[in-house]
Amino acid sequence: DTGVSQNPRHKITKRGQNVTFRCDPISEHNRLYWYRQTLGQGPEFLTYFQNEAQLEKSRLLSDRFSAERPKGSFSTLEIQRTEQGDSAMYLCASSSSRTSYEQYFGPGTRLTVT
Amino acid sequence: GNSVTQMEGPVTLSEEAFLTINCTYTATGYPSLFWYVQYPGEGLQLLLKATKADDKGSNKGFEATYRKETTSFHLEKGSVQVSDSAVYFCVLNFYNQGGKLIFGQGTELSVKP
Repeated sequence: DTGVSQNPRHKITKRGQNVTFRCDPISEHNRLYWYRQTLGQGPEFLTYFQNEAQLEKSRLLSDRFSAERPKGSFSTLEIQRTEQGDSAMYLCASSSSRTSYEQYFGPGTRLTVT
Repeated sequence: GNSVTQMEGPVTLSEEAFLTINCTYTATGYPSLFWYVQYPGEGLQLLLKATKADDKGSNKGFEATYRKETTSFHLEKGSVQVSDSAVYFCVLNFYNQGGKLIFGQGTELSVKP
């Protein structure tokens, strides 16, 4: 069990560019969550998947954000036409019924929009 | 709506001091409650949890009791160490709502030798 991994760890982009982040959950975890954390705040829920189905999206997830989990394994989060307000740490977590749905977090991807 | 309020930080203590970090919640229904910890440069980790009223979660010398009557889940430790310096998050969760976590704003703890 190698834990949840996220790539890249850091991303600097210019306003208006598109960015994509990847999350690889713990093997066989059927649930996958995305959160966003801004400086000095707690993480805020964005969306979650059970297997390949996206079951819930937060109102924080504007039309510029899209997430996929095509084969029920890894997931991608894309932000189109980035804005300075998108600068944050993007966290991924995964869980399974085997561990009572305890969520295991990855190290995060820090996005800076200049 | 559902929310969590924690005492503001930063909290600075000397080694071996007693720690309390207050946490209260607002929820419709009966959530599970957690404390997560974020050590410098590391990812979020579950510290302890309680799934129903009057449950006490404990781990690494930390304890918290789920108090339904006061809607609280205060974190305590009898004797803190320098290695406990981290940011602590009080969190609630409704399993039957998909299990998304609702975080407090976090409390930064700094323990001085």
